[in-house]
Amino acid sequence: RKEVEQDPGPFNVPEGATVAFNCTYSNSASQSFFWYRQDCRKEPKLLMSVYSSGNEDGRFTAQLNRASQYISLLIRDSKLSDSATYLCVVNKDTNAGKSTFGDGTTLTVKP
Amino acid sequence: GAGVSQSPRYKVAKRGQDVALRCDPISGHVSLFWYQQALGQGPEFLTYFQNEAQLDKSGLPSDRFFAERPEGSVSTLKIQRTQQEDSAVYLCASMSRGTFPGELFFGEGSRLTVL
Repeated sequence: RKEVEQDPGPFNVPEGATVAFNCTYSNSASQSFFWYRQDCRKEPKLLMSVYSSGNEDGRFTAQLNRASQYISLLIRDSKLSDSATYLCVVNKDTNAGKSTFGDGTTLTVKP
Repeated sequence: GAGVSQSPRYKVAKRGQDVALRCDPISGHVSLFWYQQALGQGPEFLTYFQNEAQLDKSGLPSDRFFAERPEGSVSTLKIQRTQQEDSAVYLCASMSRGTFPGELFFGEGSRLTVL
């Protein structure tokens, strides 16, 4: 079993739709959590951190459930430009050290 | 430059050749990471440096893989006697303790194809 597991996808949604991605992690000692976005044949880039209280950045909302070891990402009012692969990332240290990536969920937003 | 720079961007090697991949991190970033990304998968951790010290090399798949960062800045990932299964994108990332915890800044990667 992988340390970080994500919905396999792909998700194909129309513009304006709301879509949610889930991620589970196996290491209960994990300290920090992130969502990264990776466009086709490009490098991953940080989308947002995930905090225990939940956090929102515009159309994006991230939530963490430590008891269930579960992370989610909600995208509202999807745009064509949201089409990408979304990577769930877990880190045992708060400032450095090894980050473990999921295999990603691919989102395609269609007109 | 402002970002992480990697070279070469593309490398084709014959099986058995040695390759060297270079990473120039963001200036002042103390932490540097190497990841391997196969097609359709997420990045897999290879190794991690803090300044010149290699603090974790648990992800290196075999003793054919070697990484160094002798002066705490530029890093080189060397793969000896390449095999077909080494074909992947090799991503370098740097991190600054001054930023909010855990943000990795990636280079565009070096795409290695072993024939």
